[in-house]
Amino acid sequence: SAVISQKPSRDICQRGTSLTIQCQVDSQVTMMFWYRQQPGQSLTLIATANQGSEATYESGFVIDKFPISRPNLTFSTLTVSNMSPEDSSIYLCSVVGGQETQYFGPGTRLLVL
Amino acid sequence: GESVGLHLPTLSVQEGDNSIINCAYSNSASDYFIWYKQESGKGPQFIIDIRSNMDKRQGQRVTVLLNKTVKHLSLQIAATQPGDSAVYFCAENGLRTDSWGKLQFGAGTQVVVTP
Repeated sequence: SAVISQKPSRDICQRGTSLTIQCQVDSQVTMMFWYRQQPGQSLTLIATANQGSEATYESGFVIDKFPISRPNLTFSTLTVSNMSPEDSSIYLCSVVGGQETQYFGPGTRLLVL
Repeated sequence: GESVGLHLPTLSVQEGDNSIINCAYSNSASDYFIWYKQESGKGPQFIIDIRSNMDKRQGQRVTVLLNKTVKHLSLQIAATQPGDSAVYFCAENGLRTDSWGKLQFGAGTQVVVTP
């Protein structure tokens, strides 16, 4: 299985600021995704991080708010821009590994004050 | 459209008993389902998956059953242990189009194991 790490593991931020979350995988993967998990809720897909091209966003998520980079097959970043308290969530990256199994990182716990 | 839902938000199970977690889906064309376990403070952990060409799949202490007739799947945990306490999610993978890999999650079931 793929080993995924995320930085930071948690953060407390002031409204109006931005935070960039990093996702690192221990092997090259084709498919990488970013999800959001609001407090006490399930996971919602934000976007697909495409290597070498712009990310593909799901309905309700836009690039200006959640810019994503994917410079290579092992790394991606998600930025949460101009944060408000409603952005307080767990942000998770995931990858599709062998046998098409999707693995998740440990998550970044964000609290916006 | 597609939707995945769970029947029970919380399941209390006595240690040693079997647990059954249920999940319903609405798209009869869905062909791949995954169960995840999420412990407090951690990311979802893959448990087991099943494809639509199967009715049953077994892992270590876990079994997933798929009933395509009523669009229902379940996760059975044998001899539930305290370490099984977590939130369990079923997830539906996108159909084999450009939505492949885009998981749609159910609401989750909190399993509480009591001594």
